[in-house]
Amino acid sequence: GAGVSQSPRYKVAKRGQDVALRCDPISGHVSLFWYQQALGQGPEFLTYFQNEAQLDKSGLPSDRFFAERPEGSVSTLKIQRTQQEDSAVYLCASSSGENVGGEQYFGPGTRLTVT
Amino acid sequence: AQKVTQAQTEISVVEKEDVTLDCVYETRDTTYYLFWYKQPPSGELVFLIRRNSFDEQNEISGRYSWNFQKSTSSFNFTITASQVVDSAVYFCALSSLYSSASKIIFGSGTRLSIRP
Repeated sequence: GAGVSQSPRYKVAKRGQDVALRCDPISGHVSLFWYQQALGQGPEFLTYFQNEAQLDKSGLPSDRFFAERPEGSVSTLKIQRTQQEDSAVYLCASSSGENVGGEQYFGPGTRLTVT
Repeated sequence: AQKVTQAQTEISVVEKEDVTLDCVYETRDTTYYLFWYKQPPSGELVFLIRRNSFDEQNEISGRYSWNFQKSTSSFNFTITASQVVDSAVYFCALSSLYSSASKIIFGSGTRLSIRP
Protein backbone atom coordinates (compact mmCIF):
# COMPACT_ATOMS: atom_id res chain seq x y z
CA GLY A 1 0.00 0.00 0.00
CA ALA A 2 0.90 3.65 -0.14
CA GLY A 3 0.61 4.39 3.57
CA VAL A 4 3.16 4.62 6.37
CA SER A 5 4.46 1.22 7.39
CA GLN A 6 6.22 0.21 10.58
CA SER A 7 8.06 -2.90 11.64
CA PRO A 8 7.95 -4.92 13.70
CA ARG A 9 4.32 -4.55 14.73
CA TYR A 10 5.04 -6.16 18.09
CA LYS A 11 8.27 -6.39 20.02
CA VAL A 12 8.95 -8.00 23.36
CA ALA A 13 12.27 -7.13 24.95
CA LYS A 14 13.85 -8.07 28.22
CA ARG A 15 14.86 -5.18 30.39
CA GLY A 16 18.29 -3.98 29.40
CA GLN A 17 18.08 -5.09 25.77
CA ASP A 18 18.44 -2.69 22.88
CA VAL A 19 15.64 -2.42 20.30
CA ALA A 20 15.33 -0.85 16.86
CA LEU A 21 12.00 0.19 15.38
CA ARG A 22 11.64 0.93 11.69
CA CYS A 23 9.42 3.39 9.86
CA ASP A 24 8.81 3.62 6.11
CA PRO A 25 7.05 6.92 5.38
CA ILE A 26 4.80 7.70 2.46
CA SER A 27 6.95 8.05 -0.63
CA GLY A 28 8.03 11.61 -1.20
CA HIS A 29 7.03 12.87 2.24
CA VAL A 30 9.62 15.30 3.51
CA SER A 31 8.67 15.30 7.17
CA LEU A 32 8.76 12.34 9.54
CA PHE A 33 7.68 12.22 13.15
CA TRP A 34 7.93 9.74 16.01
CA TYR A 35 5.40 9.61 18.82
CA GLN A 36 5.06 7.49 21.95
CA GLN A 37 1.59 6.41 23.06
CA ALA A 38 1.19 4.95 26.52
CA LEU A 39 -1.85 2.83 27.28
CA GLY A 40 -4.98 4.95 27.54
CA GLN A 41 -3.20 8.16 26.60
CA GLY A 42 -2.82 10.32 23.55
CA PRO A 43 0.36 10.17 21.48
CA GLU A 44 3.26 12.26 22.74
CA PHE A 45 5.82 13.79 20.42
CA LEU A 46 9.32 12.38 20.46
CA THR A 47 11.22 13.76 17.48
CA TYR A 48 10.92 15.27 14.01
CA PHE A 49 12.93 15.02 10.79
CA GLN A 50 12.84 17.15 7.71
CA ASN A 51 14.53 15.04 5.08
CA GLU A 52 17.64 13.67 6.82
CA ALA A 53 17.91 16.53 9.31
CA GLN A 54 16.63 15.99 12.83
CA LEU A 55 15.15 19.40 13.56
CA ASP A 56 13.46 18.69 16.88
CA LYS A 57 14.27 16.02 19.43
CA SER A 58 12.83 17.78 22.43
CA GLY A 59 10.43 14.93 23.20
CA LEU A 60 12.99 12.15 23.55
CA PRO A 61 12.67 11.10 27.21
CA SER A 62 16.31 10.21 27.81
CA ASP A 63 19.64 9.74 26.10
CA ARG A 64 18.76 6.07 25.71
CA PHE A 65 16.49 7.10 22.84
CA PHE A 66 18.06 7.80 19.49
CA ALA A 67 16.52 8.32 16.05
CA GLU A 68 18.01 8.59 12.60
CA ARG A 69 16.94 9.06 9.01
CA PRO A 70 20.23 8.94 7.12
CA GLU A 71 18.90 9.14 3.56
CA GLY A 72 15.80 11.19 4.20
CA SER A 73 13.44 8.27 3.76
CA VAL A 74 13.34 5.30 6.15
CA SER A 75 13.80 6.13 9.82
CA THR A 76 14.87 4.03 12.77
CA LEU A 77 14.09 4.71 16.41
CA LYS A 78 16.56 2.98 18.70
CA ILE A 79 16.11 2.47 22.41
CA GLN A 80 19.13 1.34 24.37
CA ARG A 81 19.01 -0.56 27.66
CA THR A 82 15.22 -0.75 27.63
CA GLN A 83 13.32 -0.15 30.85
CA GLN A 84 9.79 -1.19 31.78
CA GLU A 85 8.58 2.39 31.49
CA ASP A 86 9.51 2.27 27.80
CA SER A 87 6.59 -0.10 27.19
CA ALA A 88 4.24 1.73 24.84
CA VAL A 89 3.12 1.94 21.25
CA TYR A 90 5.57 3.85 19.08
CA LEU A 91 3.90 5.66 16.21
CA CYS A 92 5.53 7.04 13.12
CA ALA A 93 3.90 9.70 10.99
CA SER A 94 4.83 11.46 7.79
CA SER A 95 3.77 14.68 6.18
CA SER A 96 4.35 16.18 2.77
CA GLY A 97 5.79 19.20 4.51
CA GLU A 98 4.26 21.51 1.93
CA ASN A 99 2.19 23.31 4.55
CA VAL A 100 3.11 24.26 8.06
CA GLY A 101 0.75 22.42 10.36
CA GLY A 102 -0.09 19.99 7.60
CA GLU A 103 -1.87 16.81 8.41
CA GLN A 104 0.29 13.91 9.48
CA TYR A 105 -0.41 10.39 8.30
CA PHE A 106 0.25 7.71 10.86
CA GLY A 107 1.49 4.17 10.61
CA PRO A 108 0.01 1.25 12.57
CA GLY A 109 2.60 1.55 15.31
CA THR A 110 4.98 -0.84 17.02
CA ARG A 111 3.82 -2.15 20.37
CA LEU A 112 6.87 -2.53 22.61
CA THR A 113 6.60 -4.58 25.77
CA VAL A 114 9.58 -4.61 28.11
CA THR A 115 9.56 -7.49 30.59
CA ALA B 1 1.91 26.63 27.20
CA GLN B 2 -0.13 24.58 24.81
CA LYS B 3 -2.69 22.10 25.93
CA VAL B 4 -5.66 20.13 24.62
CA THR B 5 -8.34 18.96 27.03
CA GLN B 6 -10.89 16.29 26.26
CA ALA B 7 -12.92 16.11 29.43
CA GLN B 8 -15.05 13.17 28.32
CA THR B 9 -13.05 10.02 28.94
CA GLU B 10 -15.73 7.62 27.71
CA ILE B 11 -19.09 8.00 26.01
CA SER B 12 -21.58 5.25 25.25
CA VAL B 13 -24.69 5.78 23.14
CA VAL B 14 -27.18 3.65 21.31
CA GLU B 15 -26.87 3.41 17.55
CA LYS B 16 -28.54 6.23 15.59
CA GLU B 17 -28.19 8.70 18.44
CA ASP B 18 -26.28 11.93 17.86
CA VAL B 19 -23.16 12.41 19.96
CA THR B 20 -20.83 15.38 20.52
CA LEU B 21 -17.21 15.06 21.58
CA ASP B 22 -15.84 18.10 23.35
CA CYS B 23 -12.41 19.63 22.87
CA VAL B 24 -10.94 22.69 24.56
CA TYR B 25 -7.49 23.98 23.67
CA GLU B 26 -4.98 26.47 25.04
CA THR B 27 -2.34 28.34 23.09
CA ARG B 28 -0.81 31.79 23.13
CA ASP B 29 -0.13 31.73 19.42
CA THR B 30 -2.48 33.50 17.03
CA THR B 31 -1.79 31.10 14.18
CA TYR B 32 -2.50 27.49 14.95
CA TYR B 33 -4.12 24.36 13.57
CA LEU B 34 -6.64 22.04 15.12
CA PHE B 35 -7.15 18.41 14.22
CA TRP B 36 -9.34 15.45 14.94
CA TYR B 37 -8.03 11.91 14.59
CA LYS B 38 -9.85 8.60 14.97
CA GLN B 39 -8.13 5.54 16.44
CA PRO B 40 -10.14 2.36 15.84
CA PRO B 41 -9.33 -0.89 17.67
CA SER B 42 -6.75 -1.70 15.00
CA GLY B 43 -4.66 1.11 16.46
CA GLU B 44 -3.90 3.20 13.39
CA LEU B 45 -4.65 6.90 13.75
CA VAL B 46 -6.91 8.13 10.97
CA PHE B 47 -6.90 11.82 10.05
CA LEU B 48 -10.40 13.34 10.03
CA ILE B 49 -10.04 17.10 9.75
CA ARG B 50 -7.67 20.06 10.04
CA ARG B 51 -8.75 23.61 10.77
CA ASN B 52 -6.59 26.72 10.85
CA SER B 53 -7.16 29.47 13.40
CA PHE B 54 -8.34 31.98 10.81
CA ASP B 55 -11.16 29.84 9.51
CA GLU B 56 -14.03 29.62 11.98
CA GLN B 57 -16.48 28.30 9.46
CA ASN B 58 -18.10 25.11 10.65
CA GLU B 59 -17.61 22.08 8.49
CA ILE B 60 -19.83 19.15 7.64
CA SER B 61 -18.71 15.93 6.05
CA GLY B 62 -21.47 13.38 5.76
CA ARG B 63 -22.53 12.43 9.29
CA TYR B 64 -19.58 14.33 10.81
CA SER B 65 -19.58 18.00 11.69
CA TRP B 66 -17.18 20.26 13.52
CA ASN B 67 -17.90 23.43 15.48
CA PHE B 68 -14.90 25.74 15.92
CA GLN B 69 -15.38 28.65 18.34
CA LYS B 70 -12.35 30.82 19.10
CA SER B 71 -14.28 32.77 21.74
CA THR B 72 -14.46 29.65 23.89
CA SER B 73 -11.30 27.95 22.55
CA SER B 74 -13.34 24.94 21.57
CA PHE B 75 -13.38 22.61 18.59
CA ASN B 76 -16.20 20.15 19.13
CA PHE B 77 -17.01 17.16 16.96
CA THR B 78 -20.52 15.84 16.36
CA ILE B 79 -21.50 12.53 14.85
CA THR B 80 -25.08 12.44 13.62
CA ALA B 81 -27.00 9.16 13.49
CA SER B 82 -24.12 7.22 15.01
CA GLN B 83 -23.22 3.76 13.77
CA VAL B 84 -21.43 0.84 15.41
CA VAL B 85 -18.47 1.44 13.06
CA ASP B 86 -17.97 4.82 14.70
CA SER B 87 -16.78 3.08 17.85
CA ALA B 88 -13.20 4.20 18.43
CA VAL B 89 -11.03 6.53 20.45
CA TYR B 90 -11.13 10.07 19.11
CA PHE B 91 -8.31 12.53 19.64
CA CYS B 92 -8.40 16.29 19.34
CA ALA B 93 -5.02 17.86 18.65
CA LEU B 94 -3.25 21.21 18.23
CA SER B 95 -0.27 22.45 16.27
CA SER B 96 0.87 26.06 16.38
CA LEU B 97 2.97 27.90 13.86
CA TYR B 98 5.50 29.48 16.17
CA SER B 99 5.68 27.31 19.26
CA SER B 100 5.73 23.87 17.79
CA ALA B 101 5.13 23.84 14.08
CA SER B 102 6.81 20.50 13.87
CA LYS B 103 4.66 18.58 16.30
CA ILE B 104 1.06 17.90 17.17
CA ILE B 105 -0.09 18.07 20.76
CA PHE B 106 -2.82 15.53 21.42
CA GLY B 107 -5.55 15.42 24.02
CA SER B 108 -6.01 12.30 26.09
CA GLY B 109 -8.81 11.05 23.86
CA THR B 110 -12.49 10.15 24.21
CA ARG B 111 -13.46 6.50 23.90
CA LEU B 112 -16.75 6.31 22.02
CA SER B 113 -18.82 3.13 22.14
CA ILE B 114 -21.87 2.76 19.94
CA ARG B 115 -24.24 0.04 21.13
CA PRO B 116 -26.42 -1.72 18.55
